Amino acid sequence: AQSVSQHNHHVILSEAASLELGCNYSYGGTVNLFWYVQYPGQHLQLLLKYFSGDPLVKGIKGFEAEFIKSKFSFNLRKPSVQWSDTAEYFCAVTLNTAGTYKYIFGTGTRLKVLA
Amino acid sequence: ETGVTQTPRHLVMGMTNKKSLKCEQHLGHNAMYWYKQSAKKPLELMFVYNFKEQTENNSVPSRFSPECPNSSHLFLHLHTLQPEDSALYLCASSQVGGGDTQYFGPGTRLLVL
Repeated sequence: AQSVSQHNHHVILSEAASLELGCNYSYGGTVNLFWYVQYPGQHLQLLLKYFSGDPLVKGIKGFEAEFIKSKFSFNLRKPSVQWSDTAEYFCAVTLNTAGTYKYIFGTGTRLKVLA
Repeated sequence: ETGVTQTPRHLVMGMTNKKSLKCEQHLGHNAMYWYKQSAKKPLELMFVYNFKEQTENNSVPSRFSPECPNSSHLFLHLHTLQPEDSALYLCASSQVGGGDTQYFGPGTRLLVL
């Protein structure tokens, strides 16, 4: 069955540290890839997405993610985190099987940034 | 502030009650979704509506009954729920139901006693 794995469930960093959150999916066909973020007390919102083209995509607030097809990965990165990046981050995949779209989310990674 | 609103924000119900969750989107989208979010589990897609037609039902028990009267409104009717149904229920919408970006509401926190 198709799935999305986020290996880090909780991450604690100090401000200015670099961040990389892992995301792997299991599906051999064409996918759309997303990172969503949920700040404390706020709605889930889109951080960045990849549909096609340049596999390195840039999102809001200095985040970027790289799609590596051979590794079925879409890791999220930020060179220098801020306290305001404290949030829960969800990787998601949409894929088309037999004409039907499936939407699959990972379990999420809680990031805490210490001031 | 997003263009997707949900009411109520919190709901406590007994196992014999009947209640409904409401979702409204103000984004002009044509696809709407219900998700269930439980602790330590991935978001579970429950239902998808595309142009008011249900296009996906992910083996959801019949005690959950969706209704989509138009492209802007989505309901989830609840009856004879179980305690394990306690969760955060999220509504989302997208331009079309073809794997596009989804816009989420704040959710309804449901507790079944």
